[in-house]
Amino acid sequence: AQRVTQPEKLLSVFKGAPVELKCNYSYSGSPELFWYVQYSRQRLQLLLRHISRESIKGFTADLNKGETSFHLKKPFAQEEDSAMYYCALSQGGSEKLVFGKGMKLTVNP
Amino acid sequence: NAGVTQTPKFQVLKTGQSMTLQCAQDMNHNSMYWYRQDPGMGLRLIYYSASEGTTDKGEVPNGYNVSRLNKREFSLRLESAAPSQTSVYFCASSDPGGSSYNEQFFGPGTRLTVL
Repeated sequence: AQRVTQPEKLLSVFKGAPVELKCNYSYSGSPELFWYVQYSRQRLQLLLRHISRESIKGFTADLNKGETSFHLKKPFAQEEDSAMYYCALSQGGSEKLVFGKGMKLTVNP
Repeated sequence: NAGVTQTPKFQVLKTGQSMTLQCAQDMNHNSMYWYRQDPGMGLRLIYYSASEGTTDKGEVPNGYNVSRLNKREFSLRLESAAPSQTSVYFCASSDPGGSSYNEQFFGPGTRLTVL
C-alpha cells in the first residue's frame, strides 16, 4: 500500500536559518511526489513536484529512490514561509493523491 | 475565473441531521475529489470522480455519498451526521491529461461541526 510519512509535526526556526522538511514514502512502483502548502487563511496549493525539478520560492526537493525520500529544503527561511506543508504521492499514472499528515513550519523573526 | 468554489463555508449540525456540501469548478477539469482534513491526520480522500457520471471510494468513504451532477459539480452528502464527521472538508479538481499535469486545485473548504 502507498504511504507517506512526515515524521515531524512541527518545526520552528529563525529567519535566515536553513530548513528541511522530511518526507518518506512507501510504494513499490514509480511514484510521483509533490509538496503542497497551505498558508494561513489560504487554500491548499501545489508548491512543487519532483518531475519538474524546479525551485519554487527558494524551495527544492529531490527524489531519492534509494532512501524513498522527498525532503523539502530551503537554505534561508523567510517569515512568509510559515505554513502547513504536506507531502503527497501518486501512483504513476494515477490521479489520486495520498497525503502525509502534514508539518507546521514556523519561521520566527 | 473562480477556480473551485464550495458552499457553505461553515455549518453546524446536530447528530442525525443530513446535509449536502456543494462543490463546483470552472476549469473544465475531468477529475474531482472530496477530502477531509483532521488535526494530526492530514488530508484523507473520501470519494473521487474521474469523469462525469463516475465515482469511486477513497480511503474514508463510510458515512458519505457523492454525486457528480455534471462536469462542473461534485456534491458530498452526509445522510446522518455523526460527531466523528466534524472536520474541514475540501473539494479539489484536476486535469490529469492537461498542461497542469495532475496538479490538484483546491477549494476554500467547509468547516463542519456535528454536535
